[in-house]
Amino acid sequence: EVQLVQSGAEVKKPGATVKISCKVSGSTFSDHYIHWVQQAPGKGLEWVGLIDPEDGEGRYAEKFQGRVTLSADTSIHTAYMELTSLTSEDTAVYYCATANDILTDPWFDPWGQGTLVTVSS
Amino acid sequence: QSVLTQPPSVSAAPGQKVTISCSGGSSNIGNNYVSWYQQLPGTAPKLLIYDNNKRPSRIPDRFSGSKSGTSATLGITGLQTGDEADYYCGTWDSSLSAVIFGGGTKLTVL
Repeated sequence: EVQLVQSGAEVKKPGATVKISCKVSGSTFSDHYIHWVQQAPGKGLEWVGLIDPEDGEGRYAEKFQGRVTLSADTSIHTAYMELTSLTSEDTAVYYCATANDILTDPWFDPWGQGTLVTVSS
Repeated sequence: QSVLTQPPSVSAAPGQKVTISCSGGSSNIGNNYVSWYQQLPGTAPKLLIYDNNKRPSRIPDRFSGSKSGTSATLGITGLQTGDEADYYCGTWDSSLSAVIFGGGTKLTVL
């Protein structure tokens, strides 16, 4: 069974940087894209981007382009999301999820448990 | 404002059937596969349907998906109180080169 376990909640000040991890177990790490999804309090799902662990190539949603970096360490089966220049609008739960490696047919299964990032002065 | 349009809420009695619509366009639903997710309160989303109408083996056949043109529909039969959740559709948008989700639909089982 594939499992994704994310790092714990973070509290950051405006302007800071946060880096969240997502450890994958139960599957071949490089076989699947890993996607990241943002969910602001009381809001819906918004795609952040994806990383291909096999070659480290990332694709990003326009909203986050320039502020987010996705990476993966294949030696420890862990993916990372780094978000810079944080503002209160970045306060949200961030989920990682594995998906098949067909870019235009992304279905996410399973998901990590989510990491709450709170940005507050 | 989401590219994919879902009704904000739907409701039905236990044992009844409900459908949730997801409307898009030719750059997304019209030419790409749709998936559906269930998010129970305080938990991570869970995959219900992929490739328009396929169910992971763990998902009961009370849940079904369909697609026609630029719209998709999730159907749930034999409603249970445990089905109360938010439901999201998702797909790839070829114009945006991005994954997009509907705004979500809150299901209430009365």
